[in-house]
Amino acid sequence: GAGVSQSPRYKVAKRGQDVALRCDPISGHVSLFWYQQALGQGPEFLTYFQNEAQLDKSGLPSDRFFAERPEGSVSTLKIQRTQQEDSAVYLCASSLERGLAIRPFAIFGPGTRLTVL
Amino acid sequence: GENVEQHPSTLSVQEGDSAVIKCTYSDSASNYFPWYKQELGKRPQLIIDIRSNVGEKKDQRIAVTLNKTAKHFSLHITETQPEDSAVYFCAAPPGAAGNKLTFGGGTRVLVKP
Repeated sequence: GAGVSQSPRYKVAKRGQDVALRCDPISGHVSLFWYQQALGQGPEFLTYFQNEAQLDKSGLPSDRFFAERPEGSVSTLKIQRTQQEDSAVYLCASSLERGLAIRPFAIFGPGTRLTVL
Repeated sequence: GENVEQHPSTLSVQEGDSAVIKCTYSDSASNYFPWYKQELGKRPQLIIDIRSNVGEKKDQRIAVTLNKTAKHFSLHITETQPEDSAVYFCAAPPGAAGNKLTFGGGTRVLVKP
């Protein structure tokens, strides 16, 4: 596709509900990142994939957060037993090469706004 | 890990004036410094970036300067226009081979016509 796409764009969940957020990176992009952006703050790193390998998941805030990219393209971020503090915009970004090899380093998707009631 | 501080948090300027946003970082090995512009409800978009082997880079009305010794970098917007109103984020990776970005807290810029 022309850019990174994410779905759904908006998600409202009741506390305790499980959610799954999808990211479709630009075709052929090797690197894929998930960031969490709370209201009024900068994006915070969650996890990084190089193809299907999850090389860094140091930013995942708890074991309720799980991400996968089984075929090295589409990625899913799953949040189990959602809590109110999980409310944020979840941004996906992809990059053609590994790490910082090229410009732009990362192209962001439009994000999924998650609201947990 | 990397720590990025950004100032000011809000900036109001008159149309046509200049705007300057400053960021400091903690990891001396960081070598890539992008700036993102985020309009309300939209995705962050890269507007300019600089690598540590240069001290300044310019793209039309936007410029970025880097001082590696002091570990700070700045975004300069000249001849501001109302469409420059947005939140701007600086970022830096942890180390020279970092595979992620640490973002500053953002600066909300308002350009008054």
